[in-house]
Amino acid sequence: EPEVTQTPSHQVTQMGQEVILRCVPISNHLYFYWYRQILGQKVEFLVSFYNNEISEKSEIFDDQFSVERPDGSNFTLKIRSTKLEDSAMYFCASSEAQLEAFFGQGTRLTVV
Amino acid sequence: AQSVAQPEDQVNVAEGNPLTVKCTYSVSGNPYLFWYVQYPNRGLQFLLKYITGDNLVKGSYGFEAEFNKSQTSFHLKKPSALVSDSALYFCAVRDMQRGNKLVFGAGTILRVKS
Repeated sequence: EPEVTQTPSHQVTQMGQEVILRCVPISNHLYFYWYRQILGQKVEFLVSFYNNEISEKSEIFDDQFSVERPDGSNFTLKIRSTKLEDSAMYFCASSEAQLEAFFGQGTRLTVV
Repeated sequence: AQSVAQPEDQVNVAEGNPLTVKCTYSVSGNPYLFWYVQYPNRGLQFLLKYITGDNLVKGSYGFEAEFNKSQTSFHLKKPSALVSDSALYFCAVRDMQRGNKLVFGAGTILRVKS
C-alpha cells in the first residue's frame, strides 16, 4: 500500500541552526501539506502546496519557514534559524483533491 | 472559516461496551468530514470519511460515524470497544476554499478499560 515517508524520524538541532525536513508523498497525489503537533496536542496546519506553489499558509508559517518540491518526488520543509518553540512533531501529508489525506509517521524536531 | 469541535477531552469506556466520540462542525458549503486516529508516537491514521451519500459511514477497525446535517454533527461510534482502541482521535473538516487543507479538532483521548 502506498504511504507517505518522512526523514529523519528524529532531528536534534541547536537553536539558530537551519533544518530541512524531508517527505516523499504518495506518487499520484496532487496536494501536499505540512502540519505540526506539539506534545501530542492539537494538530496545527502550516502550509498546503499545489501545482508547484503554496496554496495556503497559516500564521505560524512566517518567513522562517519555506517549502520546496525540488525534484517532482520530494517535498521539503525548511526552518531557518530554529527557536526552542519550534520543537514539535512535524507531519507531512498528501491527498487527491477532497479525498482523505495520508500522513507520514512524522519527524520529531528537538531544538536545544 | 471551517471548524470542528470535539467537546470531550477524554472518553472512558469499558471493553465490550459501545463507544461514541463526539464531533460537531461548522462549514460554509458542503462538508467533507474525516476521522483520524493517532497511537502514541505515531502519525495520523485515516479511519473514515463523509463526502456525500449515506449518513452512516463505515470505516476501518469496525468504526463508523453518523453524519447529521441538522445537528451539524459527525460522531464516531463503535458497537463494542476493544482495549486496543485506546488512542487519540481527531475529527477534521476539509476547507475547500483555503488550500484544501484539513482543519482538525482538538482531539479526544479514548481509554478503554478491561
